[in-house]
Amino acid sequence: DQQVKQNSPSLSVQEGRISILNCDYTNSMFDYFLWYKKYPAEGPTFLISISSIKDKNEDGRFTVFLNKSAKHLSLHIVPSQPGDSAVYFCAATGGANSKLTFGKGITLSVRP
Amino acid sequence: EAGVVQSPRYKIIEKKQPVAFWCNPISGHNTLYWYLQNLGQGPELLIRYENEEAVDDSQLPKDRFSAERLKGVDSTLKIQPAELGDSAVYLCASAPGSGETQYFGPGTRLLVL
Repeated sequence: DQQVKQNSPSLSVQEGRISILNCDYTNSMFDYFLWYKKYPAEGPTFLISISSIKDKNEDGRFTVFLNKSAKHLSLHIVPSQPGDSAVYFCAATGGANSKLTFGKGITLSVRP
Repeated sequence: EAGVVQSPRYKIIEKKQPVAFWCNPISGHNTLYWYLQNLGQGPELLIRYENEEAVDDSQLPKDRFSAERLKGVDSTLKIQPAELGDSAVYLCASAPGSGETQYFGPGTRLLVL
């Protein structure tokens, strides 16, 4: 049972436009959410996170929005750049341990 | 500051052979994780260490997988014997402490023939 779902396997956007990557979760115990970015042949790199006490966190071109009632979060990248082309993983944690549960990832392609 | 170091980066073995992966976490990071990533999937936790103690190994297939973190720094993950289905990327991550942001190494890509 997938507790963190990234239902779209891929997304293609034009350089300079906004990229919106979506993530849904089912476990009500999750209280901290992270986005990781992964280039081929490299490990995931931490990008941005958000605690359940917030509904928005911004860091430069990256903003994560959290809708707890809908159990949904999204990552906005604006403006998108070709270097943003990578696989983006949504991850969540909460409860008694620090185990991260990852989604399957979404491949973002930013066209020049 | 150096990141998480893993070796080897790639490994090809025949089924039933043993294999070992090594991880050196970021200096000062007490928490160390081993993840398994299959193609098209997100990483899945195998084992978590707090210093030298394995505090969560519930997802580790103990019939063939073993891990250790002697002295609470470097860690090794071993598979003996390897099976075809073990072909995957094995990722190591570390964090200053439990619940803090995890930093991943580049992974070891294993192919079992």
